Amino acid sequence: GAGVSQSPRYKVAKRGQDVALRCDPISGHVSLFWYQQALGQGPEFLTYFQNEAQLDKSGLPSDRFFAERPEGSVSTLKIQRTQQEDSAVYLCASSLAVWSSYNEQFFGPGTRLTVL
Amino acid sequence: QKEVEQNSGPLSVPEGAIASLNCTYSDRGSQSFFWYRQYSGKSPELIMSIYSNGDKEDGRFTAQLNKASQYVSLLIRDSQPSDSATYLCAVRWAEGRDDKIIFGKGTRLHILP
Repeated sequence: GAGVSQSPRYKVAKRGQDVALRCDPISGHVSLFWYQQALGQGPEFLTYFQNEAQLDKSGLPSDRFFAERPEGSVSTLKIQRTQQEDSAVYLCASSLAVWSSYNEQFFGPGTRLTVL
Repeated sequence: QKEVEQNSGPLSVPEGAIASLNCTYSDRGSQSFFWYRQYSGKSPELIMSIYSNGDKEDGRFTAQLNKASQYVSLLIRDSQPSDSATYLCAVRWAEGRDDKIIFGKGTRLHILP
């Protein structure tokens, strides 16, 4: 496909369950970003990868959040022991080149997580 | 602390008029500036990017950047009902291994038919 894809599109979890959210970036895009968007808010940065290296995870809200991109392509965001405050849309974005401010980010459709 | 500020709106504009959306940012080292449009329930869609001071026009859209005032704006001419959406201002810093985009909370725009 030509764009960023994410799965699942919707996820309902009971409080305390673990969830895994997948992102397939645009082929050839080196940079991959995860964002959390609460209702009525702008996307909040979570973490960032250059290829397989996680260069910035300063936005992860707690140690229950973990992200990986082992082969430098597909990425997974895992949330352990989900809480109601984790309910949000999780957006993945990819960007072509490294260490350049002139490359645009392209977003996937997002995963809407609802924790009951 | 890097911040991006936008008026949350809603901003109501009659169809055919010019919609003006504004954004300020806190860090003078900011390098790239983007406007995203987000329809309800959808992901952000990039509509404009601007990197240097001045105006950049693309169809009905004009982005304006003033780095001295740390201000970026988006003008939409001949507003259409389909322009009704939330507009997100985003500012990017990329230096060395650091690469981050900070988003504003968005301005809701409503075009009145």
